[in-house]
Amino acid sequence: EAGVVQSPRYKIIEKKQPVAFWCNPISGHNTLYWYRQNLGQGPELLIRYENEEAVDDSQLPKDRFSAERLKGVDSTLKIQPAELGDSAVYLCASSALTTATDTQYFGPGTRLTVL
Amino acid sequence: AQTVTQSQPEMSVQEAETVTLSCTYDTSESNYYLFWYKQPPSRQMILVIRQEAYKQQNATENRFSVNFQKAAKSFSLKISDSQLGDTAMYFCAFDSWGKLQFGAGTQVVVTP
Repeated sequence: EAGVVQSPRYKIIEKKQPVAFWCNPISGHNTLYWYRQNLGQGPELLIRYENEEAVDDSQLPKDRFSAERLKGVDSTLKIQPAELGDSAVYLCASSALTTATDTQYFGPGTRLTVL
Repeated sequence: AQTVTQSQPEMSVQEAETVTLSCTYDTSESNYYLFWYKQPPSRQMILVIRQEAYKQQNATENRFSVNFQKAAKSFSLKISDSQLGDTAMYFCAFDSWGKLQFGAGTQVVVTP
């Protein structure tokens, strides 16, 4: 069974430029998560989707971050414009259930460097 | 709000030896789940072990086992017969209704 797929693995951009990350969850997983992991810290949730609905986006900086999961499968996270402080690893995870806690499986992440 | 505390920034252990990582958490929830994830240099977050709070029996996965003390809100991980491939950052995580809260992590270094 294929795991969570993310692309790109690495991205280097200059500040004020836009950037987008893509995630494809494990087949059949209805819940999808985006996390940000700063250097030396644990991941922090940005947004959680149940199917195509964003059910928790309280930690998403909405002035510059946006996300979508139009068909309830793959998802895109966008930053526009990027700032120096956005340099981090962006992790995508998925889980099977939507109504109760279930184990989250993570992708390999995208390391973003903003210069 | 839930908080997860890992008080050991780094632990070193020799091959074949045992190491125990500590984790404490704070919550007012009665139903929740606890996890240990490992993150090697590749950055892939890999599930090590999972514990449901309603289960009194401690979870075990091969060389990995936990000591879950619900009243003390403690959830330690024991790695037995350590292998070089166990070198990684280990994160304790708390989950209540789908929101994972991670600790700061403990770097485990296994030496020959």
